[in-house]
Amino acid sequence: ETGVTQSPTHLIKTRGQQVTLRCSSQSGHNTVSWYQQALGQGPQFIFQYYREEENGRGNFPPRFSGLQFPNYSSELNVNALELDDSALYLCASSLIGQSYGYTFGSGTRLTVV
Amino acid sequence: AQSVTQLGSHVSVSEGALVLLRCNYSSSVPPYLFWYVQYPNQGLQLLLKYTSAATLVKGINGFEAEFKKSETSFHLTKPSAHMSDAAEYFCAVSDPSGGGADGLTFGKGTHLIIQP
Repeated sequence: ETGVTQSPTHLIKTRGQQVTLRCSSQSGHNTVSWYQQALGQGPQFIFQYYREEENGRGNFPPRFSGLQFPNYSSELNVNALELDDSALYLCASSLIGQSYGYTFGSGTRLTVV
Repeated sequence: AQSVTQLGSHVSVSEGALVLLRCNYSSSVPPYLFWYVQYPNQGLQLLLKYTSAATLVKGINGFEAEFKKSETSFHLTKPSAHMSDAAEYFCAVSDPSGGGADGLTFGKGTHLIIQP
């Protein structure tokens, strides 16, 4: 059973640019959710995808968007990067309806300069 | 809306001493509760979870937690601390009826320091 893998592990971008982060779900899981973890803070829920559609969203602006592919992998896209977007971005997969079985990846560290 | 409060951003204990990390939650429905551990520059590892079965939950690495509805608490304990327990610990809550669409709500974390 493979776990959740994320790429890249580290990324540096300039303010105003766009970034795409990638996530491969754990085998057998069909939902993917994304979290933002600012330095010294707990993770914050961005959104969840199921059946290639967003089915839940936290308090994040529309410039945060995502995709889920037929193989359940996912992308997180952030447009018009701001300095405050610097954070660790975590991906988690689970089975729909089982909101107790999340598996997290190791994250992508995004630095916006 | 749900929320989690972790009392103490830093907790320091001696090696071999009892570890107690506090978590209180607010939820309008019976919640699922979790404790995760995060080592530097790594993702989150699940220690244990409460999903409305036994109120005393045993997890990995000797940790356990007790769900107390009357106190809205889910404190994490370990009888004897080990140097390898030094890490950041997060308590989290989810709404079982939402199917995960609302995600997990995390506390701000507690940094556990183990003194030799």
